[in-house]
Amino acid sequence: SYDLTQPPSVSVSPGQTARITCSGDALPDQYTYWYQQKPGQAPVLVMYKDTERPSGIPGRFSGSSSGTTVTLTISGVQAEDEADYYCQSAGRSDSYVIFGGGTKLTVL
Amino acid sequence: QVQLQESGPGLVRPSQTLSLTCTISGGSISSGSYYWSWIRQHPGKGLEWIGYTYGTGRTFYGPSVKSRVTMSVDTSKNQFSLKLKSVTAADTAVYYCARTSFFTTVTTNEHYFDFWGQGALVTVSP
Repeated sequence: SYDLTQPPSVSVSPGQTARITCSGDALPDQYTYWYQQKPGQAPVLVMYKDTERPSGIPGRFSGSSSGTTVTLTISGVQAEDEADYYCQSAGRSDSYVIFGGGTKLTVL
Repeated sequence: QVQLQESGPGLVRPSQTLSLTCTISGGSISSGSYYWSWIRQHPGKGLEWIGYTYGTGRTFYGPSVKSRVTMSVDTSKNQFSLKLKSVTAADTAVYYCARTSFFTTVTTNEHYFDFWGQGALVTVSP
């Protein structure tokens, strides 16, 4: 099966830069999407088509792509950014959508 | 702005059928510009796409529950529904409905979820 790989956790201090990666063999040929999920809440789309930021998402969120790895970058991290982050892309063969395992961002 | 709201029983007995409905406000299920998806999240785990339906009733299911799932659309009520039969404790999860944007590139059919419902916890237990 095809998987998207994310680090289980990332920790940064307030004001620093957090980088959350997502790796997958097919990512050079597909777009990646990112969701933020805070405890007890539904996920929120924070990045689409690798680098596009939806309306209402702060400018400190940005995305980049290089080969088989896509990165969500949060510059000047704030306490409110503490959440789980999931990447998502198109699947292969029998699944149209796959999610990464999620990364827990901790703001120290 | 579009809003989605899941509704249905929070407790389902093993071997029975899980039924959930998603009501859309601020948009039309018949617009043709979006798919409408179900996604679930097991307790403390990640996200799992179940499948999606289109305003015409056309459906696409993911592999995890493909043999047990049925999705449908009620355009008169601006709703879409999920039915999952023969449930077990492994189907205990928070179930989300989500609006699904889609487009096609040279290499893939792309989908992503731009609006989500708040989620409905469904517990499968005797």
